[in-house]
Parts: sequence; C-alpha cells; structure tokens
Amino acid sequence: EVQLVESGGGLVQPGESLRLSCTDSGFTFNKSWMTWVRQAPGKGLEWVANIKQDGSEKYYVDSVKGRFTISRDNAKNSLHLQMNSLRAEDTAVYYCARDKFDGYSNGFVKYWGQGTLVTVSS
Amino acid sequence: DIQMTQSPSTLSASVGDRVTITCRASQSISGWLAWYQQKPGKAPELLIYKASSLEGGVPSRFSGSGSGTEFTLTISSLQPDDFATYYCQQYYTYAYSFGQGTKLEIK
Repeated sequence: EVQLVESGGGLVQPGESLRLSCTDSGFTFNKSWMTWVRQAPGKGLEWVANIKQDGSEKYYVDSVKGRFTISRDNAKNSLHLQMNSLRAEDTAVYYCARDKFDGYSNGFVKYWGQGTLVTVSS
Repeated sequence: DIQMTQSPSTLSASVGDRVTITCRASQSISGWLAWYQQKPGKAPELLIYKASSLEGGVPSRFSGSGSGTEFTLTISSLQPDDFATYYCQQYYTYAYSFGQGTKLEIK
C-alpha cells in the first residue's frame, strides 16, 4: 500500500532556502510519476511540479521556475523539493502526491501525503 | 496557461439534494479533467478522472461529465459526508492547474 510522508517544513525568512522530502513506503515508487501540490492558508490547491520515474523529465508552475527544483532518489523511495529564494507567497502546506497508475504520466494524482507546512516570514 | 474557473464558489444545500458544480477551462482540454474532494485539515481525495471515470471506492452518487471547456460534477443525493470543498484540475497541458474550489455547505 502506498503511504507518503512529507518532512522538512518549517519557518524561514524571505530569501532563504528549504528542502522538503517525501518518503513512499510502497514497493513501486520507481514506477510512478510524482508531484508536489501546495495550498496557501485558507486558499485553494496549486500544482507546483512533477517528475518522471527516472527523473529525466520535470515540469514546474511558472511562479517557482528557477527557484524550486524537484528531484527523486529511487533507491531511497524519496522525493524532494529544493526551494530557494523563498518568498512570503510560497507560504503553504506542501503535499507530496503520486499518480494513480504506474508506468506513464497520468496527470492526476491518487495518493497524497499529509502535507508539511512551510512558512516564509520575517 | 490554462485557467480553470469553478462555479459557484459556495453552494448551500440540504441532505438529499441533487447538486451540480461547474468547471470551465479557458481553452479546450478535451476530457483531461479530474475532480477532488477536500475536507478541512485533510489532503484531497480523487473522485473522478478523465472527466467521467469514477475512482474506485467513490460512491456512485458522484458523477462527472463534459468535454472541451465545460465540465460538471454532480452529486445525485447529498449525504452528510459530502459537505466539503471540491476542486477540478486540468491535465491537458503543463502547467497543470486547479480551479479555485467550490465549498459545499449545509443549508
């Protein structure tokens, strides 16, 4: 069974960096596209980035391009989001999510972590 | 970028009501649309994908339809557990995007 657990959130100042991690307890992590979705306090969902099974393709929302980097370590069943030059508007709960079907990019996600809160404030 | 607009933003309804939420895309997305349900303090849950395919374990009172730029999520008979916020999401092209959400409240 897929279980996703995020870590790494916290309080940082504008301009600082933070690295989020997500660990998948299942056995087929390396077969699935993975995604980060965020949700600012009291706001809606925002798709942030996703990554192909082997890490060869990565896509980002415009607002984080050049500042955030998605990566994965299939040997450790882990997904990461390196966030640099953080801004107040990056404050959100960040969810790690996994496609429903293995083997190809579904576009939608079935499995979600519990989320980790990132707060960017001076 | 494709903009997704949901209506209404808030919907008040009673148990047993039939409700419909609309999601409009700023350009055609064919049938590449998903719906999610989110309850306070929880991660979203997948309800429907490819516009009308019901996710396993989701009650049959939920249904989705539409193609191109206009889509609907219908709940045929509201149950107490259905009061939540609903989001549509297009996955036709990057960057994928969500609607702003529809909060379904008890009347």
